[in-house]
Amino acid sequence: DAKTTQPPSMDCAEGRAANLPCNHSTISGNEYVYWYRQIHSQGPQYIIHGLKNNETNEMASLIITEDRKSSTLILPHATLRDTAVYYCIVRVDEYSGGGADGLTFGKGTHLIIQP
Amino acid sequence: DTGVSQDPRHKITKRGQNVTFRCDPISEHNRLYWYRQTLGQGPEFLTYFQNEAQLEKSRLLSDRFSAERPKGSFSTLEIQRTEQGDSAMYLCASSLASGNPHEQYFGPGTRLTVT
Repeated sequence: DAKTTQPPSMDCAEGRAANLPCNHSTISGNEYVYWYRQIHSQGPQYIIHGLKNNETNEMASLIITEDRKSSTLILPHATLRDTAVYYCIVRVDEYSGGGADGLTFGKGTHLIIQP
Repeated sequence: DTGVSQDPRHKITKRGQNVTFRCDPISEHNRLYWYRQTLGQGPEFLTYFQNEAQLEKSRLLSDRFSAERPKGSFSTLEIQRTEQGDSAMYLCASSLASGNPHEQYFGPGTRLTVT
C-alpha cells in the first residue's frame, strides 16, 4: 500500500470548515483513499473513501487531486465533537488483489477544534 | 446497541499472567479484525477472520498471542505470559464480506495494563 503523509496536528475554529490534507504521491491506479477518525478513548470510525472522483457523505467531503497524489478531507462546519485524530489510509481494492486483511494506520493528524 | 462490543473494557494483570479478551461483532458481519494500539500510535493490525477461518495471522506479535472465532460469531484474543510491553489498547473491528472490507466498524477497545 502507498505511504501517506499527514501533518501531526491542526487547529480549526468551531463553525469553520476543517481541511485536512494528505499526501500519497506513490499511489497506484487501483488504490483507494480512506479516511478514519478516532475520538479520544474510542475506536476508530470510518468517515469516507474515494478513488478519483470527489465524494461527499453526511460526515465529510473528500477532494482528490486530478493526479491523485494528494487529497483533502473537509469537515464543512466543525464542532467541538470533531476533535479527534484523523487517519488517511491508501488501500488497494479487494477485487483488484488488495486482499481483505487489516488496514495500515499511520500517526494521523490530531485536529483540535477551538471554541 | 448493534455496534461492535468488547469485554472487558479495562484489564489490569500482573506480568506472566494470561489474559483473554472477547469481541462481539455487528451481527451480520462475517469478517472480524484485531488490532493493537500503543500510546501515540495508530492501530496496528494483528489478525483477521472470515467466518470461523483465520485468514491472516502472520502479523500476530509473537507466539504468545492467539485468536479464535470458533462459531464464526464472537472472537477471543488471548495473550499468554503477559509482558509489560503488552500494555496497550486492543481493538476489534468487523466488516461485511459482501461489502467493502476496508469499511470497518470498530469497538471501543480493551485497555490492558501489565504491572
